[in-house]
Amino acid sequence: GNSVTQMEGPVTLSEEAFLTINCTYTATGYPSLFWYVQYPGEGLQLLLKATKADDKGSNKGFEATYRKETTSFHLEKGSVQVSDSAVYFCALSAYNFNKFYFGSGTKLNVKP
Amino acid sequence: DTGVSQNPRHKITKRGQNVTFRCDPISEHNRLYWYRQTLGQGPEFLTYFQNEAQLEKSRLLSDRFSAERPKGSFSTLEIQRTEQGDSAMYLCASSSAEYEQYFGPGTRLTVT
Repeated sequence: GNSVTQMEGPVTLSEEAFLTINCTYTATGYPSLFWYVQYPGEGLQLLLKATKADDKGSNKGFEATYRKETTSFHLEKGSVQVSDSAVYFCALSAYNFNKFYFGSGTKLNVKP
Repeated sequence: DTGVSQNPRHKITKRGQNVTFRCDPISEHNRLYWYRQTLGQGPEFLTYFQNEAQLEKSRLLSDRFSAERPKGSFSTLEIQRTEQGDSAMYLCASSSAEYEQYFGPGTRLTVT
């Protein structure tokens, strides 16, 4: 079946620290992979995506590379800011975007 | 473009009652998704519409749940004979032919 596993939080970092949030997946076929972010009091919004193996998605300083050999899509940022504090969700879609599977979310707290 | 809207934002009901939620997607978005999210978890896929056709439905969805999207515009999600386990946030998302889902603010259901 299809599923996403991401590291449990919360993750607490100081401003300008390096961020990695791990995400691994199980899927049939060739899924597309996504990271969504939910800021406090707001709805989920797409952060970045990758639709095939070795693709790198990037946005707002965040990056993630679609690694088929390790079935991973880890989220990274070189220098986090307080404004990055949010819950991050890894997700995959198989079946031509008819269905999406989300991980349980990782809460990031960035301290000044 | 005012984004995806959902009504009501909050609903408190007694066990055994029926409830109906409404989702108004971004105009011209032909894809519409419903999810359920419980505290500390990621969104769980419930069902998917392409225009007015319901193309995917989660096997986790019991017969008490039904969704419609008449004329391919707004959508409704009905839960019959509610149970305490139905208490959750119900999210709606829409997208165009691309993969990017735009999420609504959700309807929080509390079953007492």
